[in-house]
Amino acid sequence: AQSVSQHNHHVILSEAASLELGCNYSYGGTVNLFWYVQYPGQHLQLLLKYFSGDPLVKGIKGFEAEFIKSKFSFNLRKPSVQWSDTAEYFCAVNFHYSSASKIIFGSGTRLSIRP
Amino acid sequence: DSGVTQTPKHLITATGQRVTLRCSPRSGDLSVYWYQQSLDQGLQFLIQYYNGEERAKGNILERFSAQQFPDLHSELNLSSLELGDSALYFCASSATVTQFSGANVLTFGAGSRLTVL
Repeated sequence: AQSVSQHNHHVILSEAASLELGCNYSYGGTVNLFWYVQYPGQHLQLLLKYFSGDPLVKGIKGFEAEFIKSKFSFNLRKPSVQWSDTAEYFCAVNFHYSSASKIIFGSGTRLSIRP
Repeated sequence: DSGVTQTPKHLITATGQRVTLRCSPRSGDLSVYWYQQSLDQGLQFLIQYYNGEERAKGNILERFSAQQFPDLHSELNLSSLELGDSALYFCASSATVTQFSGANVLTFGAGSRLTVL
């Protein structure tokens, strides 16, 4: 069955540190890739997405992600984090089949930033 | 406000009971998704509807059912509730489901928090 893995459950960083959150999926077919963020007390919202073209995609608030098809990965990065980046981050994959599609989320990574 | 409306926001009920959670998608969106978020299991995909028809099913229990009505709102019915059903239930909507369009980006509601005592 298709799955999405986020290996880091909780990441703690100091302000200005660089961030990389891992996301891997299992499926050999067509996929669209997303990162969503859930700030404390708020609903999930889109951070960035990949559909086709340049595998390096840029999102809001200085985040970017790189799709590496050979590694089935879509890691999220930010060169310098801020305290306001404290949130839970979810990788999501839209798996496309011949007659349907399904959007599966990873288990999430809680990011805590020390001021 | 994301445009996706979920009611009720909070619900406390007892084991064995049945509840209905309601979701109104963002205006113009045809697809509705239901997810369950619990502390130990992350965001679990339950079911997806597109324009009134079921399109995909995830880890939805047989005690749970859902439907999407002609006006595109959706209801998730949870019956014979157990303590383990306590969770945040999210509804999300998207304009379409095609792989060729950016329109399958999900817009989430604020969630319905269910507590089963």
